Amino acid sequence: DTGVSQDPRHKITKRGQNVTFRCDPISEHNRLYWYRQTLGQGPEFLTYFQNEAQLEKSRLLSDRFSAERPKGSFSTLEIQRTEQGDSAMYLCASSPGGGSGSYEQYFGPGTRLTVT
Amino acid sequence: GNSVTQMEGPVTLSEEAFLTINCTYTATGYPSLFWYVQYPGEGLQLLLKATKADDKGSNKGFEATYRKETTSFHLEKGSVQVSDSAVYFCALSEGAGSYQLTFGKGTKLSVIP
Repeated sequence: DTGVSQDPRHKITKRGQNVTFRCDPISEHNRLYWYRQTLGQGPEFLTYFQNEAQLEKSRLLSDRFSAERPKGSFSTLEIQRTEQGDSAMYLCASSPGGGSGSYEQYFGPGTRLTVT
Repeated sequence: GNSVTQMEGPVTLSEEAFLTINCTYTATGYPSLFWYVQYPGEGLQLLLKATKADDKGSNKGFEATYRKETTSFHLEKGSVQVSDSAVYFCALSEGAGSYQLTFGKGTKLSVIP
C-alpha cells in the first residue's frame, strides 16, 4: 500500500487558465475527499465521494470547480478560469467505508497551485 | 455549524518540556475527534483519535482525552523532542452520513535543544 498519491505536486498557471489535478486513493478505500488549505489555515472541505457518487459539496466549491471519480478509483479536480484567490494547497484524502476506522482519513502530499 | 478552535501559535519549547495544545469544538451531534500532525515538507498524518466521550487517544507519547462536558480535546505530551517540531491540527468529524473533517487553524510547535 503506497498511500494516497497526488499529481502534480506543484502547478503554476496564469489567471484564466484551466487546471486539473489527479488523486489516487489507497486501494480499496471507497471514500475520497478533497480539501483546500491556504497558508496559516487548516484544511477546508471541498467535496466527498463514496465510490463514484459525489455525496457532499461545500459552498466553497464554486461553479468553476468540478470533481469526478468516474470508476470509483482515482479522482480529478478541475478548476476553470483560475483566479489568484485559487492559489492554495489542494489536498486529497481517502478512507475505508464502514467499521470503526471509517472516519479516519489518510491524506496525500497535496498539489500546490500558484495562479499568477 | 461545526467548528474547532485551537490555541494560537507558534509555541516554542525546550527539549523535554511538557506540551499542552488546547482544542475546543462546537458540534451539533457526537463527533469523532482527531489530532493530525504536519511535519515540515510532509503531508498531514493522523496522530491520534477518540470516537466517544471519555475515550483517550494516544500515540508516540502524545495523549488527548475526549471531554464532552467541556467540549475539549487537548493534546499533551510529557517530554517533547526536537523531532516533534511540526504543525498540529485538531479536527472533528460528525459521521452519520457527513464524513467531512472540520479543522482548526493549526498550532506550530518548535522544540529547541
